[in-house]
Amino acid sequence: QKEVEQDPGPLSVPEGAIVSLNCTYSNSAFQYFMWYRQYSRKGPELLMYTYSSGNKEDGRFTAQVDKSSKYISLFIRDSQPSDSATYLCAIVETSGSRLTFGEGTQLTVNP
Amino acid sequence: DTAVSQTPKYLVTQMGNDKSIKCEQNLGHDTMYWYKQDSKKFLKIMFSYNNKELIINETVPNRFSPKSPDKAHLNLHINSLELGDSAVYFCASSHVHGYTFGSGTRLTVV
Repeated sequence: QKEVEQDPGPLSVPEGAIVSLNCTYSNSAFQYFMWYRQYSRKGPELLMYTYSSGNKEDGRFTAQVDKSSKYISLFIRDSQPSDSATYLCAIVETSGSRLTFGEGTQLTVNP
Repeated sequence: DTAVSQTPKYLVTQMGNDKSIKCEQNLGHDTMYWYKQDSKKFLKIMFSYNNKELIINETVPNRFSPKSPDKAHLNLHINSLELGDSAVYFCASSHVHGYTFGSGTRLTVV
């Protein structure tokens, strides 16, 4: 079983839609949760970072963590064509510095 | 001013050759990494250095050897390149849990 599972998609939505991206994880030692966005032929860039259960909002983006279910989500409101990219969840253990990534979900927002 | 820079951006080489990829960060971070991204976009850690000291060494063939001359640089040398080494290699650095990635080196082995 992979440590972090993420639906690879691809996901295609119309402009203005609400997008929901999800990951599950198996290791209870994971304590820090991140979402990265990766445009084609670019490196991943950090979008959101949280370490506690609950919601964290940043503009159109909301990161949600449920540690009891080992489930994390990223919501994108009013999606834009510029949001088209691959979104990767990434998780870090309390004790370490290693980022464990999900497979990434490829998102296309159609104008 | 690029935070994490890698060179070269593209590398096409024949099987059996030896090649190096260089990485430099100007963020003052203590920890640097090499990640490999395969054709399915899956990112997997290869190595991690903290202040020039190797702290993570995943199951990577011995043909791959990282070298950190100082904490701002982490280079990756690959011997006897194989077709399966074709991938995008990303360098990254971090402070606590804030990671910054380079733009990647696309390696194609023919």
